[in-house]
Amino acid sequence: GQNIDQPTEMTATEGAIVQINCTYQTSGFNGLFWYQQHAGEAPTFLSYNVLDGLEEKGRFSSFLSRSKGYSYLLLKELQMKDSASYLCAVMDSNYQLIWGAGTKLIIKP
Amino acid sequence: IAGITQAPTSQILAAGRRMTLRCTQDMRHNAMYWYRQDLGLGLRLIHYSNTAGTTGKGEVPDGYSVSRANTDDFPLTLASAVPSQTSVYFCASSDGLAGQETQYFGPGTRLLVL
Repeated sequence: GQNIDQPTEMTATEGAIVQINCTYQTSGFNGLFWYQQHAGEAPTFLSYNVLDGLEEKGRFSSFLSRSKGYSYLLLKELQMKDSASYLCAVMDSNYQLIWGAGTKLIIKP
Repeated sequence: IAGITQAPTSQILAAGRRMTLRCTQDMRHNAMYWYRQDLGLGLRLIHYSNTAGTTGKGEVPDGYSVSRANTDDFPLTLASAVPSQTSVYFCASSDGLAGQETQYFGPGTRLLVL
């Protein structure tokens, strides 16, 4: 079966750096997405990786290793507004997104 | 309208009743999707449409139906609601073209079936 694993919850301090990991086993691979979802709101797109390596976008970076079935989202200079759930999703061979359950990130002052 | 809108925002529904959740996008995206989100689970695809006039079943289609009469609208119907359909429902859309698969989400409909 298809599976996306990510930690359920993480805690970090304002101003620090946090890395959220995602491992996947899917039938085919057509890219990996990270979304941010604040409580009670819709998911919003953060990043897309289809080739191995690091994609940097401001305070957020996303890394992909296809051979290891692994990705991480790196958040730098954490702000209180970064408190949210972060969803990892993989596009399979049918171009459908398979979603992880999300990682709830709690930022403490 | 800017992006994707959904209606209603929330609804309490008696079991056995019929309900249609509405979704409209103004981005001229080809593909549209319906997901449900339940606590502790990832988003699960109910139905999708790659282009107007076509629909397909996702991971959890039972008890739901959709139609895609035009590019903008993608309603989801629960023919006879059951308590297990209590969930948050998100509609999403994407260009559906290679390299343009990013999905954009509506604000969601919170449904409670009693």
